[in-house]
Amino acid sequence: EAGVAQSPRYKIIEKRQSVAFWCNPISGHATLYWYQQILGQGPKLLIQFQNNGVVDDSQLPKDRFSAERLKGVDSTLKIQPAKLEDSAVYLCASSLRGTGGEETQYFGPGTRLLVL
Amino acid sequence: DAKTTQPPSMDCAEGRAANLPCNHSTISGNEYVYWYRQIHSQGPQYIIHGLKNNETNEMASLIITEDRKSSTLILPHATLRDTAVYYCIVRHILTGGGNKLTFGTGTQLKVEL
Repeated sequence: EAGVAQSPRYKIIEKRQSVAFWCNPISGHATLYWYQQILGQGPKLLIQFQNNGVVDDSQLPKDRFSAERLKGVDSTLKIQPAKLEDSAVYLCASSLRGTGGEETQYFGPGTRLLVL
Repeated sequence: DAKTTQPPSMDCAEGRAANLPCNHSTISGNEYVYWYRQIHSQGPQYIIHGLKNNETNEMASLIITEDRKSSTLILPHATLRDTAVYYCIVRHILTGGGNKLTFGTGTQLKVEL
């Protein structure tokens, strides 16, 4: 079974530029998550999709971050404009249903962003 | 969300059992305990989860105390490849559906020869 795919793996941009990350979840997984992991910290949830609808985006900085999952499969996370403090690893995860009970999230390798 | 407390670092000799503790004293009755690990420059890897009973799989064992306020992850025969940051997480169920993992800073396990 193929895992969660993410691209690019690395990205270097200058502050105030825009950047986009792509994620393809495990086939058949209805729920998709984007996390931000700053160096030395654990991942922090930014947004959660159930199919193509947003379940939780309470920690997404909406003035500069946006995400979409138009067809309920793959997803794009965008930062516009980027700030120095956005330097981090952006992780995508997916789970089968995302509802209660025993629901395991599986993570991709992440995209490492450096903002100069 | 229920918070977890883990020691920042632990060492273990290769071939010995690694026992990683976690406190989650504010856990609710329907919240699961999940363990993930993260090897340098990789995404978190799922290890095991449990609700009330002890659990075992091919990677590890999970021991949950009867009052559910703490748990221990056991790697029975640690190898150098088990060197990683281990996260203990209480999975929170969202009001509108979905579930949320709140990661702490985890335990850095170093397995040495």
